[in-house]
Amino acid sequence: AIRMTQSPSSLSASTGDRVTITCRASQGISSYLAWYQQKPGKAPKLLIYAASTLQSGVPSRFSGSGSGTDFTLTISCLQSEDFATYYCQQYYSYLLTFGGGTKVEIK
Amino acid sequence: EVQLVESGGGLVQPGGSLRLSCAASGFTVSSNYMSWVRQAPGKGLEWVSVIYSGGSTYYADSVKGRFTISRDNSKNTLYLQMNSLRAEDTAVYYCARDLYSSGYGVFGYWGQGTLVTVSS
Repeated sequence: AIRMTQSPSSLSASTGDRVTITCRASQGISSYLAWYQQKPGKAPKLLIYAASTLQSGVPSRFSGSGSGTDFTLTISCLQSEDFATYYCQQYYSYLLTFGGGTKVEIK
Repeated sequence: EVQLVESGGGLVQPGGSLRLSCAASGFTVSSNYMSWVRQAPGKGLEWVSVIYSGGSTYYADSVKGRFTISRDNSKNTLYLQMNSLRAEDTAVYYCARDLYSSGYGVFGYWGQGTLVTVSS
């Protein structure tokens, strides 16, 4: 199975900060990468797919980039509602896999 | 509006069995790629299984041979039969629908989850 590695596993930031989360695949996955946001006690929410396509209704301060093995999720201006855990997921292989998650906490 | 409602979770002893259900509304289960994704307490997300619109099924190595995904078209419901349960199967189990009915591998819609606890 393709292994997805996220970094950092957690970070502290302030409202208004620019935040970048990295996801690395153990083999090339083209642009078959999605990002999800999860808040405590809630189901995950799709933010981005195809590495950089913003899901309908997701604020434009979220953006994704990358292809092959290295990807990033950027939040341009962190808002209070963005404090959550973020997961990447590859769908290049039919055996789908997630990264370990990045928890974004309030500094 | 797409809605997914899971049920069937609970406490089960190691080695036991449980069947989870996911009742869907607002779309046709049999025309979409449907998956189960789980999350152990305090841990990350783990994909468990998928059933394609054509009926093909796939499983994570951690559950292969023990879990079976299926659907009932007349009830528009997805199932996960879980046998030979282990403590490490303890998790919230989410039902998820692919973003596109043609199948893409991206989870665009999620249920609220049902908790399975495997313990003696």
